[in-house]
Amino acid sequence: KQEVTQIPAALSVPEGENLVLNCSFTDSAIYNLQWFRQDPGKGLTSLLLIQSSQREQTSGRLNASLDKSSGRSTLYIAASQPGDSATYLCAVRRQGAQKLVFGQGTRLTINP
Amino acid sequence: DGGITQSPKYLFRKEGQNVTLSCEQNLNHDAMYWYRQDPGQGLRLIYYSQIVNDFQKGDIAEGYSVSREKKESFPLTVTSAQKNPTAFYLCASSFGQGAGYEQYFGPGTRLTVT
Repeated sequence: KQEVTQIPAALSVPEGENLVLNCSFTDSAIYNLQWFRQDPGKGLTSLLLIQSSQREQTSGRLNASLDKSSGRSTLYIAASQPGDSATYLCAVRRQGAQKLVFGQGTRLTINP
Repeated sequence: DGGITQSPKYLFRKEGQNVTLSCEQNLNHDAMYWYRQDPGQGLRLIYYSQIVNDFQKGDIAEGYSVSREKKESFPLTVTSAQKNPTAFYLCASSFGQGAGYEQYFGPGTRLTVT
């Protein structure tokens, strides 16, 4: 059974810092891994999708890496801003399955 | 303006009543999904549909029902058999069954049953 873990559960940093969010999964047989952002009371916004054959994806100040063999992904946020404050979720799609398996998220607070 | 819409945003019901949550997409996506989000438990899949007139149970389908009569629409009914219906419900969609497809989410419906 695929399990996804995100540590830490909450993180608070001052504005301008570069930071890394972690995601680990137990079964390396995945199609892809997706990072999402969720603001309080809102739906999920897709940030980055990494295919199993890829090592990383970049979008603006965001960079996501994938190490399938070790079951780890990281989301790097450069030059953090107060507007980056949200909960960040990672989810994996196991091979042969339609559904995403989600981690419980990291609640990020960027202090001005 | 393409996207996924869910209505209503907030829904209140008395225990014992069935309630239907709406999900519509104009992204021309084939697959649609319903997830439930509870504090501290992450998102869990309720039902999904890969094509019209076909759907499969997810991890927590008991007490829920769905239909897929149109490609654009995937309504979820929360029945009185669902023991703990109060939650945040999220609808998602994606292109087809291929491995590379992203899932896109709607804004959610918060259901409160008293």
